[in-house]
Amino acid sequence: GESVGLHLPTLSVQEGDNSIINCAYSNSASDYFIWYKQESGKGPQFIIDIRSNMDKRQGQRVTVLLNKTVKHLSLQIAATQPGDSAVYFCAEGSDTGRRALTFGSGTRLQVQP
Amino acid sequence: ETGVTQTPRHLVMGMTNKKSLKCEQHLGHNAMYWYKQSAKKPLELMFVYSLEERVENNSVPSRFSPECPNSSHLFLHLHTLQPEDSALYLCASSPPGGDEQFFGPGTRLTVL
Repeated sequence: GESVGLHLPTLSVQEGDNSIINCAYSNSASDYFIWYKQESGKGPQFIIDIRSNMDKRQGQRVTVLLNKTVKHLSLQIAATQPGDSAVYFCAEGSDTGRRALTFGSGTRLQVQP
Repeated sequence: ETGVTQTPRHLVMGMTNKKSLKCEQHLGHNAMYWYKQSAKKPLELMFVYSLEERVENNSVPSRFSPECPNSSHLFLHLHTLQPEDSALYLCASSPPGGDEQFFGPGTRLTVL
């Protein structure tokens, strides 16, 4: 079936460096993609989203890139801070049919001081 | 805080117990969701309610029974659960026409 998956289970970076978290998806019909951050003991928190007709979107210290040719999504975090340590999930959704997201397995980001 | 609350935050129950999880939002959202998050699996969708009507039941065993009495409240009734049902149960809601889902903090469920 269709699935969304993450390449790396754990990413360790130094404070101040840039982080790149990757995600591969298989449903070419998805209309939008969302990145969530989940800290220990909390529910997933929205970071940024991107529609399928875009290839880049920027937020505060974060950038999401979408490459539909290779079905790849990435989240770039600039000047990574200790507070960025969490598990990051990508998710995909469709404007038609069920209103639900399909989540990837998650990448743990560890920021070393 | 997302504005989505869940109670209880932690629950320990035996396999013969009956309990209920509660989710509440006053954000004006018209869709609500239950997800299951276990240690080594991605977030799994369980149920979707849109305008208080169940529109998705993602092959969930009947020992999980959802209820959506109004657009602000969502329940998950649990009975005769199995130890493998131990997980974090997350509730989410989304606004009309919106892509983003807002998640609650979850209920950590342990079935003994």
